[in-house]
Amino acid sequence: EDQVTQSPEALRLQEGESSSLNCSYTVSGLRGLFWYRQDPGKGPEFLFTLYSAGEEKEKERLKATLTKKESFLHITAPKPEDSATYLCAVQAVDTGRRALTFGSGTRLQVQP
Amino acid sequence: GAGVSQSPSNKVTEKGKDVELRCDPISGHTALYWYRQSLGQGLEFLIYFQGNSAPDKSGLPSDRFSAERTGGSVSTLTIQRTQQEDSAVYLCASSTYDRIYGYTFGSGTRLTVV
Repeated sequence: EDQVTQSPEALRLQEGESSSLNCSYTVSGLRGLFWYRQDPGKGPEFLFTLYSAGEEKEKERLKATLTKKESFLHITAPKPEDSATYLCAVQAVDTGRRALTFGSGTRLQVQP
Repeated sequence: GAGVSQSPSNKVTEKGKDVELRCDPISGHTALYWYRQSLGQGLEFLIYFQGNSAPDKSGLPSDRFSAERTGGSVSTLTIQRTQQEDSAVYLCASSTYDRIYGYTFGSGTRLTVV
């Protein structure tokens, strides 16, 4: 069974204080690992997809990296508007199954 | 439309009643997904549609849950004889076929069973 574990559950940072969120996963053949951002009362918003170990993607202050067992979302010099819940999900190679398996998320709060 | 639209945004229902939740995907998106998000939990997959067919219904929690999609567009998730444990946010997402680099989610329907 595919599993995704995110840590920490919650993280409070000062504006400008860089940090990393962790996503550990087990999957029977990784097709893709996804990062989403979710604001209160809204659906998740797509950030990145990573396909293979060693891959990195960047968007503004966010950088996602992938190894064979985990992914990190690095946040550089965060701003208060980066406050949100960050969700990690995996999709398995089984082509008959399109579902994503999500972790429970990391709630990030960035204080001015 | 410009995004995935879900209605209603909030629904309060009495235990034992049936409810219907609607999803209007992005025009041209052939794949449609329903997920459920309970308080403090991750998103839980319910069902996947490709066109009007549902090749993966493995996440539907019981036979009280059903879903259909018509015209390759609008989808309805129906919950019969609602129970308190059905209370959650029901999220719909759509994507172009085989677009594995991210679905587009709607804002969800918050269902409260009292």
